[in-house]
Parts: sequence; structure tokens; C-alpha cells
Amino acid sequence: DGGITQSPKYLFRKEGQNVTLSCEQNLNHDAMYWYRQDPGQGLRLIYYSQIVNDFQKGDIAEGYSVSREKKESFPLTVTSAQKNPTAFYLCASSRGQGAAEAFFGQGTRLTVV
Amino acid sequence: RKEVEQDPGPFNVPEGATVAFNCTYSNSASQSFFWYRQDCRKEPKLLMSVYSSGNEDGRFTAQLNRASQYISLLIRDSKLSDSATYLCVVLSGYNFNKFYFGSGTKLNVKP
Repeated sequence: DGGITQSPKYLFRKEGQNVTLSCEQNLNHDAMYWYRQDPGQGLRLIYYSQIVNDFQKGDIAEGYSVSREKKESFPLTVTSAQKNPTAFYLCASSRGQGAAEAFFGQGTRLTVV
Repeated sequence: RKEVEQDPGPFNVPEGATVAFNCTYSNSASQSFFWYRQDCRKEPKLLMSVYSSGNEDGRFTAQLNRASQYISLLIRDSKLSDSATYLCVVLSGYNFNKFYFGSGTKLNVKP
């Protein structure tokens, strides 16, 4: 079955550590996205990529980094520079052709301890 | 101003009721519109796309008013299983490549 997979589902990090969240899709989608959701709030765009080896900052990119070396993979690194990293992180993909909807992974819940 | 705005609710309705949600968007050049459903602590899932001509899927009807820049979702004959948060989503950006999400409207359907 085609889909988008995020791992791990839960992640605990000590303050000052970098962590990398995995996102893999086998839908052959060109576009991939990372969002952050805080309790009771909507999704905010961190980074997005329309094509391999290219990515753009979203609205809240500070303290995060990404790479897009393969079409299937779009990992997100939460660096120690991110002041408030505890949140629900969602990865999404789409065909990237204007009208196409986005499909989401199951999310990673990151907690800083 | 936010790209997409929704009434956060909650909307508390009895089973069998009809309930309507509205959403407004700020970018008049936005191209595509969607309603997603999100259950507690889960990922959003596509409920339906919203077309200029309006569209219906069973008990759900979505409409788009480009002139007033708002999108609506109507749920008829509400079921307990409809309880969730409904997210309004707009595809905008320079190359229509960014999805903007409303903060969601929470629906509680009571027995």
C-alpha cells in the first residue's frame, strides 16, 4: 500500500540535543512538507520541498533544518536552537501540481525533558 | 492577518442535527480548497475538496464563494462519529505550492 511514514511516533529529547525526525513516502509525490502543531492550534509550516535537492523555508523555520536528497525522503532536524520544540510534528506530501491534496503521515510527538 | 480563519467552536450539537462551519481566506489568488478532519492526537485526513460549483459527498456538502473569499462545510444528520476537529485548508503561495491551515473548528455530537 502506498503511503507516508513518519518515525518515531514518540520522541523524547534532552535540552541542548539535536534530533532528526524521519519522513518517507512511496506515493511518488514531488512535494513534501513539514508542519508543527501545538495543542489547540492549527498547523504551521516549517519547511517544504517541491523537488529533489530543493527546499524552502516556511513560516517558522528558525531552529529547524531539512534535506531532500531523495524524492522519497524529507527528514527534519530539530536543533538545539529551537527554543520551544515540544510539539506534534506532521509530514505531508502531494503531487505538487496545484490542485492536488496533501496526504499526512501519522506524526511524531516530540517532548523535551 | 492570518491566511485562513475559522471559528474554533466548540459546536455542541445533538445527534441528527445539521451543522455548518465557515472559513475565510485572505489571498484572493488562492487556487484550491479542502476540508480535512482531525481526530484527537491523530493526523489530518482529507474529508473533501471544495470546487467552485460546490460538491456533495453523502451527508457532507462543501461550497466555495470566491467573491467573498469563504468556504463552508455543511453536515446533515450528524452522527456521534462526526465528533472531531474540522480544518479548512487553502492552497496558495507563489506557485500555488503552500497549504495553509485554519486552526480548526471542534465539533461535539452528543447522544
